Amino acid sequence: GENVEQHPSTLSVQEGDSAVIKCTYSDSASNYFPWYKQELGKGPQLIIDIRSNVGEKKDQRIAVTLNKTAKHFSLHITETQPEDSAVYFCAASKGGFKTIFGAGTRLFVKA
Amino acid sequence: NAGVTQTPKFRILKIGQSMTLQCAQDMNHNYMYWYRQDPGMGLKLIYYSVGAGITDKGEVPNGYNVSRSTTEDFPLRLELAAPSQTSVYFCASTKSGAREKLFFGSGTQLSVL
Repeated sequence: GENVEQHPSTLSVQEGDSAVIKCTYSDSASNYFPWYKQELGKGPQLIIDIRSNVGEKKDQRIAVTLNKTAKHFSLHITETQPEDSAVYFCAASKGGFKTIFGAGTRLFVKA
Repeated sequence: NAGVTQTPKFRILKIGQSMTLQCAQDMNHNYMYWYRQDPGMGLKLIYYSVGAGITDKGEVPNGYNVSRSTTEDFPLRLELAAPSQTSVYFCASTKSGAREKLFFGSGTQLSVL
């Protein structure tokens, strides 16, 4: 069935370093790939998304890349700050009602 | 706009009890969703609705029921609560489907003991 695998499950970096989270999706018809950040005790919030007609998208310190051939997409956070510490979810959708989520990555940024 | 509002934030139920999780959105969104979040498992879709009067099952609907009498409200009903329903529940909404930003509520942490 449809699946999104996300790695790593936990990531610890020093403040100022970069963090990379990788996801792989199974359904080649997927064409929308959002990333959500979830802080403790809160609901997930969209931080960036990419559609299948684009290979890369950047928003300040956050970037997402998409390789449709390999069915991979990745989140890159540069110059990490303590407030980047959270759980990050990747997801994939081909429309309709269904969004398939990865299992999440817990990011720790050490000051 | 308040966005998506969920109540309660926390609840403890005994096995066999029932309860309703409330969800309301003020963005005039057509699509509303209920997800559950278990540790290390991501979010799983319980039920969804594409408009008032229309609801359908998601991946994990057993033990739950929903209704959508208005565009704004989408309550989730748990009948005969079981320990397997211990989870964090999120309501979410979008204007017109899954190829756009999901707006999430702040969640309900439910324990069934």
